[in-house]
Amino acid sequence: DTEVTQTPKHLVMGMTNKKSLKCEQHMGHRAMYWYKQKAKKPPELMFVYSYEKLSINESVPSRFSPECPNSSLLNLHLHALQPEDSALYLCASSLGSEGMNTEAFFGQGTRLTVV
Amino acid sequence: AQKVTQAQTEISVVEKEDVTLDCVYETRDTTYYLFWYKQPPSGELVFLIRRNSFDEQNEISGRYSWNFQKSTSSFNFTITASQVVDSAVYFCALSGLDSNYQLIWGAGTKLIIKP
Repeated sequence: DTEVTQTPKHLVMGMTNKKSLKCEQHMGHRAMYWYKQKAKKPPELMFVYSYEKLSINESVPSRFSPECPNSSLLNLHLHALQPEDSALYLCASSLGSEGMNTEAFFGQGTRLTVV
Repeated sequence: AQKVTQAQTEISVVEKEDVTLDCVYETRDTTYYLFWYKQPPSGELVFLIRRNSFDEQNEISGRYSWNFQKSTSSFNFTITASQVVDSAVYFCALSGLDSNYQLIWGAGTKLIIKP
């Protein structure tokens, strides 16, 4: 089972709302990632969790708050977002804990619109 | 610093034609990894191939083939007898010690296969 599941698929939220994006994998992968992708651009790394610990935060604003409750789950908590935060948010996982020297598997993403 | 260049922004061909997507990379690492991902309109990034820097053998998988040439720092991707379902954005990516083993992405090539 090479699947990463993300929910919801679409999300529209106001700038004062609090919402969460969820990601789940059951491949036994030790690294999980959040990426942000704007239209016609490659993905941009936001956060990396390795063995359930935050190992990389790419200077992401604090209105994005990641959480890794266990080795299979990854959440991204959203609060007080701006319209420019509208994007496709992709979750990924990889077997390697030290980064992308093994292939990463991506979810279908959450299309987020901030109004 | 590491860099991946996909010079072709968009390619349009008629079904059954062969098409090659170019990828040129820059890195100071001696050990590094190269990847190709496909992103259909649905948004999910689909892993296609990973190649490490010590393995210069070309790879063929069905209608897909990859040509890795260290001498020219290129990792090109060819689709033989293209099909409409091949229409997608294709990303080439690189990881290595210089990037803390996080993916450095090319800008992507949008491939349009016309029936």
